Amino acid sequence: SQQGEEDPQALSIQEGENATMNCSYKTSINNLQWYRQNSGRGLVHLILIRSNEREKHSGRLRVTLDTSKKSSSLLITASRAADTASYFCATRGPGANNLFFGTGTRLTVIP
Amino acid sequence: GAGVSQTPSNKVTEKGKYVELRCDPISGHTALYWYRQSLGQGPEFLIYFQGTGAADDSGLPNDRFFAVRPEGSVSTLKIQRTERGDSAVYLCASSFQGTANTEAFFGQGTRLTVV
Repeated sequence: SQQGEEDPQALSIQEGENATMNCSYKTSINNLQWYRQNSGRGLVHLILIRSNEREKHSGRLRVTLDTSKKSSSLLITASRAADTASYFCATRGPGANNLFFGTGTRLTVIP
Repeated sequence: GAGVSQTPSNKVTEKGKYVELRCDPISGHTALYWYRQSLGQGPEFLIYFQGTGAADDSGLPNDRFFAVRPEGSVSTLKIQRTERGDSAVYLCASSFQGTANTEAFFGQGTRLTVV
């Protein structure tokens, strides 16, 4: 079964607006990663945040992690039409080598 | 190579047939993963290799599914007696040494359709 759950399942915004996606998970983790997927094929790694980190930035991306609430959020600022994709969070447990993915958020950015 | 390569990109097969899906990981990556993704769902873990050995095959759904990585590089996922429920995109990923804080690089996947 999948570890994480993203919220919302789908999000539609205007170009230039910010997009926020949330992820909740169930068990303790070593790190949490966000991936992007276009057209249901290969996933592209966006950002990794370790369990002892609370916030991380990469370009227009900002990720937060709250291990007490077992949740993470991904913020995309100043969205572009090219950001339209599905976004997944994935968790890696302590001592584990595989990633458990959530169900994803489908983001649509309207030009 | 430059990235993870999966072949074929699409495979249509008849129910009951045997299929093989191939994955070429990034050169030097010792960790290799297979995932399966159904429409509208997130990737579901199948099996993880560290080198030539399957370190974790707990995600394989049943004994019709088998994967090998004989020389620690290319991997083949084998599905026997395919069923319509096996239809999905099969994703392969590799990472450097499979250490806890490294990202996984995914291939473009093989879309398997069982008719």
